[in-house]
Amino acid sequence: GAGVSQSPSNKVTEKGKDVELRCDPISGHTALYWYRQRLGQGLEFLIYFQGNSAPDKSGLPSDRFSAERTGESVSTLTIQRTQQEDSAVYLCASREGPNNEQFFGPGTRLTVL
Amino acid sequence: QKEVEQNSGPLSVPEGAIASLNCTYSDRGSQSFFWYRQYSGKSPELIMSIYSNGDKEDGRFTAQLNKASQYVSLLIRDSQPSDSATYLCAVSGGSYIPTFGRGTSLIVHP
Repeated sequence: GAGVSQSPSNKVTEKGKDVELRCDPISGHTALYWYRQRLGQGLEFLIYFQGNSAPDKSGLPSDRFSAERTGESVSTLTIQRTQQEDSAVYLCASREGPNNEQFFGPGTRLTVL
Repeated sequence: QKEVEQNSGPLSVPEGAIASLNCTYSDRGSQSFFWYRQYSGKSPELIMSIYSNGDKEDGRFTAQLNKASQYVSLLIRDSQPSDSATYLCAVSGGSYIPTFGRGTSLIVHP
């Protein structure tokens, strides 16, 4: 079946602009995660959605970052007033059951000029 | 703070050899352990999961878990140049938010 999809694959923006990144999880997967990966670095957890429960936002680095998810479907990560330090690959992952096996999308490479 | 430690490498092995990748973790309550492979410029791909002490084999891959010593390892037998990638160790406990290590770079040379 279809895997996790993300759009756009690449985004170049100017400092101070807002950006929206989209994630379509695997159908039926109740959990959805956003991560950030800077060049040459590990995965940095941002936010976690589980069904209709309140999301775990503990990884969001500042109030410029926010995310939404409608039910168990699409999620959008929004970064307001982008800064050059926001340049990274933003990865989305989804999970079906309680075993914590996550499946990643291809990522969105964000470049802030 | 939960920590997952991996040697950044690179680990260089000749084609056909066994590559051994190691990971240690700090949270004794950890219950689930994962290995992901990440090719350069690509997203992580789950290759192994292990939940109980001992070995778990899948093709050329073997995951080993020792909860008493708080380490998990990944063995790749008959290493191929196509195995060259960064291998990420991930660990989770009661929370559904795993902690990822920074990865070990593996280079398999012909």
